Amino acid sequence: DGGITQSPKYLFRKEGQNVTLSCEQNLNHDAMYWYRQDPGQGLRLIYYSQIVNDFQKGDIAEGYSVSREKKESFPLTVTSAQKNPTAFYLCASTPGSSYNEQFFGPGTRLTVL
Amino acid sequence: AQKVTQAQTEISVVEKEDVTLDCVYETRDTTYYLFWYKQPPSGELVFLIRRNSFDEQNEISGRYSWNFQKSTSSFNFTITASQVVDSAVYFCALSEANPNYGGATNKLIFGTGTLLAVQP
Repeated sequence: DGGITQSPKYLFRKEGQNVTLSCEQNLNHDAMYWYRQDPGQGLRLIYYSQIVNDFQKGDIAEGYSVSREKKESFPLTVTSAQKNPTAFYLCASTPGSSYNEQFFGPGTRLTVL
Repeated sequence: AQKVTQAQTEISVVEKEDVTLDCVYETRDTTYYLFWYKQPPSGELVFLIRRNSFDEQNEISGRYSWNFQKSTSSFNFTITASQVVDSAVYFCALSEANPNYGGATNKLIFGTGTLLAVQP
């Protein structure tokens, strides 16, 4: 089945540690995205990538880093510089042509202890 | 700046009632797309509809219908005869143009969502 997988579903980390969230897609989509969702708020864009080896900062990139070495993978690292990392993180992808809808993964809930 | 406003934070209805979720957007682009997504308690966003700025026809899909009015910059979503399974958070989103990518990109701007609770 084609789709987007995110792992793990729940993640706990100690304050001051870096942690990497996985996002993989087998839809052959060119573009991939990372969003953060906080309670009662909409989705805010962290980073996005339109093609391999290229990515752009979104609205709240500070404290996060990404890589796009393969078309199907777009991992997100939450660094210790992110002051309030506890949130629900959603990965999405789209074919890359104009205005297509984005397909979302199941999300990872990160809790900093 | 582009913006999406969903003024209704929470709506509670009884099963079989009709309910309308409001969405108002702001954009300076002449070409844009609007979207609705559903987020059930599991957390994954489910795509419902995409509408381009040149097509103002209303759309109906089963119990769902959408009313797009450019004159008021609104893209409202109505659920007819609501069911308990409709309980979820619903997001309206607007696509943003990016001249660095040939004038269009899939970067979405989301509203804050409306939590719909359908009581049995």
